[in-house]
Amino acid sequence: DAGVIQSPRHEVTEMGQEVTLRCKPISGHDYLFWYRQTMMRGLELLIYFNNNVPIDDSGMPEDRFSAKMPNASFSTLKIQPSEPRDSAVYFCASAAAGANVLTFGAGSRLTVL
Amino acid sequence: AQKITQTQPGMFVQEKEAVTLDCTYDTSDPSYGLFWYKQPSSGEMIFLIYQGSYDQQNATEGRYSLNFQKARKSANLVISASQLGDSAMYFCAMSPTNAGNNRKLIWGLGTSLAVNP
Repeated sequence: DAGVIQSPRHEVTEMGQEVTLRCKPISGHDYLFWYRQTMMRGLELLIYFNNNVPIDDSGMPEDRFSAKMPNASFSTLKIQPSEPRDSAVYFCASAAAGANVLTFGAGSRLTVL
Repeated sequence: AQKITQTQPGMFVQEKEAVTLDCTYDTSDPSYGLFWYKQPSSGEMIFLIYQGSYDQQNATEGRYSLNFQKARKSANLVISASQLGDSAMYFCAMSPTNAGNNRKLIWGLGTSLAVNP
């Protein structure tokens, strides 16, 4: 398996623009997680899904953030409109139903100017 | 409230020596899991080792071992025979293991390890 695949790896955009981050989890994994990592706040869980259904979105910072998982092999995290404080590395991770370990993607580094 | 504390922001170790990275945790859950992840400068998060709260023995994975002291609520990572490639950030994390659909991990802020040649 190719692991968790995220795109884009790097994104530079201007304030106010829409940003869409994409994730393909490991095939057969039932859980998908979106994390944000910054120097100030460390790793923050934004939202996670089980079998494509959002389970906990309490970490989503505000209405500008939305996440979808239309099928078992694809998820998006959208920021609209983006702000400079959204600059961070966004990780997607997936996990199997019976396993404790999360497998992370390589991350998407977002810079909002 | 659940919490993970990593008190060492930065650590140095000489190549080929052993190093211990500290992690203490706080939880009221009777069943939980403890994890260590490594994040090299390239940015990816790499799983290293897992310890279940009811595991009788300390977990080991190659050069990594987890010194689990349940009464003290500590889960220190021990890296033996350090290599230059071990230079990275190391994160300790915890999750409940008997909480149905709850798969939220609580993360520490990390320890930066530098291995000197």
